[in-house]
Amino acid sequence: NAGVMQNPRHLVRRRGQEARLRCSPMKGHSHVYWYRQLPEEGLKFMVYLQKENIIDESGMPKERFSAEFPKEGPSILRIQQVVRGDSAAYFCASSPPDSRGGQYFGPGTRLTVT
Amino acid sequence: KQEVTQIPAALSVPEGENLVLNCSFTDSAIYNLQWFRQDPGKGLTSLLLIQSSQREQTSGRLNASLDKSSGRSTLYIAASQPGDSATYLCAVSLISSGSARQLTFGSGTQLTVLP
Repeated sequence: NAGVMQNPRHLVRRRGQEARLRCSPMKGHSHVYWYRQLPEEGLKFMVYLQKENIIDESGMPKERFSAEFPKEGPSILRIQQVVRGDSAAYFCASSPPDSRGGQYFGPGTRLTVT
Repeated sequence: KQEVTQIPAALSVPEGENLVLNCSFTDSAIYNLQWFRQDPGKGLTSLLLIQSSQREQTSGRLNASLDKSSGRSTLYIAASQPGDSATYLCAVSLISSGSARQLTFGSGTQLTVLP
């Protein structure tokens, strides 16, 4: 049973470009969460999605960031017009419908904005 | 707003020692609490999950306890090994609707076990 998969593992973008981060949840998991770990800071919640629905986006920056989890395919975290402050590790986690079993994390995507 | 604090921020011990990592949280209305391990440049590995109705969980050399009333959890590592060296993170989820799913993380304890 494959774990949570994220790609790419490393992504370099110039300022002003777009970054697309992908996350495939564990088999049988229909809930996806995105977290961001800024350098020298802790992990912060960004958004919680179920298939075709955004459930909680209270941690998402108001501009340039968006997330989706389509009926088919991986969840996508999209950052438009990236700035240097977006450089961070972005982690995806998944859980089954009953979150009592906790969340399982992927290896992360490390975004570097030059 | 839930805040999670981990003490100490860093810990260095000789191999074989038993050790305790501490986690405290400000809102006791938690849904569950998870302890994770993070190796440098890597993702998070879930170590133990404690439901709000539970007092402790054990896995191998690891034991985690939960005291909701005082807002504390401890992770006990027995007979530490150099391979235990990593950052240990504590995370809680709240019961309140709308945020029952999001995890709030502490800043972690960086553990070094010296051979």
